[in-house]
Amino acid sequence: DGGITQSPKYLFRKEGQNVTLSCEQNLNHDAMYWYRQDPGQGLRLIYYSQIVNDFQKGDIAEGYSVSREKKESFPLTVTSAQKNPTAFYLCASSAVQKNTEAFFGQGTRLTVV
Amino acid sequence: AQSVAQPEDQVNVAEGNPLTVKCTYSVSGNPYLFWYVQYPNRGLQFLLKYITGDNLVKGSYGFEAEFNKSQTSFHLKKPSALVSDSALYFCAVRDAGGTSYGKLTFGQGTILTVHP
Repeated sequence: DGGITQSPKYLFRKEGQNVTLSCEQNLNHDAMYWYRQDPGQGLRLIYYSQIVNDFQKGDIAEGYSVSREKKESFPLTVTSAQKNPTAFYLCASSAVQKNTEAFFGQGTRLTVV
Repeated sequence: AQSVAQPEDQVNVAEGNPLTVKCTYSVSGNPYLFWYVQYPNRGLQFLLKYITGDNLVKGSYGFEAEFNKSQTSFHLKKPSALVSDSALYFCAVRDAGGTSYGKLTFGQGTILTVHP
């Protein structure tokens, strides 16, 4: 089956730790995205990538980092610099043409303990 | 800059009645518009999109949306609501021109509740 896989589904982080969220797609999409979802605030773009080895900051990139070493993979690291990391994180991918819809993974819920 | 507004945090309708979830947008060029649905603790599912052509777009699960360029709106509609339609709905926009790099901007979401 084609799709986007995010792992883990639930993640707990201690204060001061870095954690990495995984996102893998087998849809042969060039573009990949990371969004953060908080109650009442919709989805906010963290980072996006249009091609391997290239990525751009979104609206709320501070405290996050990404890499795009392979077309299929776009991992997100939540660093200790992110002051309020507890949220639901969604990864998406799409073809590079702007008139195509994005496909989403099932999300990772990160909680700081 | 591009933006999307969903003016209603919540919409409540009775099963069998028509439903409308409102969306307005702002882009510098022509818009590509999308609607998605999200069930609790799940990812977003694509419902429909407007690219060009007919202003009335039909999508999945009996949903449709009407594009109105003069009002910069893209309201989601369904003639007869089902209890199973209860979910969180997101409108999203891409600027068709410029160098926005395919960035997809979402509204804050509208919770739809359909009562039996």
